[in-house]
Amino acid sequence: GAGVSQSPSNKVTEKGKDVELRCDPISGHTALYWYRQSLGQGLEFLIYFQGNSAPDKSGLPSDRFSAERTGGSVSTLTIQRTQQEDSAVYLCASSFRGLTEAFFGQGTRLTVV
Amino acid sequence: AQSVTQLDSQVPVFEEAPVELRCNYSSSVSVYLFWYVQYPNQGLQLLLKYLSGSTLVKGINGFEAEFNKSQTSFHLRKPSVHISDTAEYFCAVSALRGGQNFVFGPGTRLSVLP
Repeated sequence: GAGVSQSPSNKVTEKGKDVELRCDPISGHTALYWYRQSLGQGLEFLIYFQGNSAPDKSGLPSDRFSAERTGGSVSTLTIQRTQQEDSAVYLCASSFRGLTEAFFGQGTRLTVV
Repeated sequence: AQSVTQLDSQVPVFEEAPVELRCNYSSSVSVYLFWYVQYPNQGLQLLLKYLSGSTLVKGINGFEAEFNKSQTSFHLRKPSVHISDTAEYFCAVSALRGGQNFVFGPGTRLSVLP
């Protein structure tokens, strides 16, 4: 596609449920990033994939959070047993081997009720 | 590892006045530098970037930034702001050799007043 695509754009879930957020990066971009942005806050790094290398998971806030990237393209961020503090906008970005700017998707707004 | 500081969390300025948003970074390796803008309820959009070459870079919407290696700064400037420039501005760095994460500053909220 022309840009980074994220789905769904909005997700409302009940506390304790699992959610999956999807990111489709720009074709040919080997680097993929997940960030979280809470209301009125900056970007919190979650996880970074670069090609076939082991992902940098240092930003994941707890073991309820996990992410995978299949075939070096689409990525899924999974949050298990969601909590109200997980409510935020989850942003995905991609770049060409991490050597250029990151291009962002429009984000998924997650609301845990 | 890299880190980014944006000292001003909020900057109010009157329309048509000049503005400077400050960004300082810390890194043990050479870096690329970026400014992103986030308009209300929208995603992040690249404003400008410094990869190499001239230390004064020009971006979209009349913004420019100057890379100062000795002061490890990358301040964003615009000579005359418009109401439509009201947004959140984020400074970011990534390691020059690539293969590493982008690190973002906490952001500066620019409010342009009529």
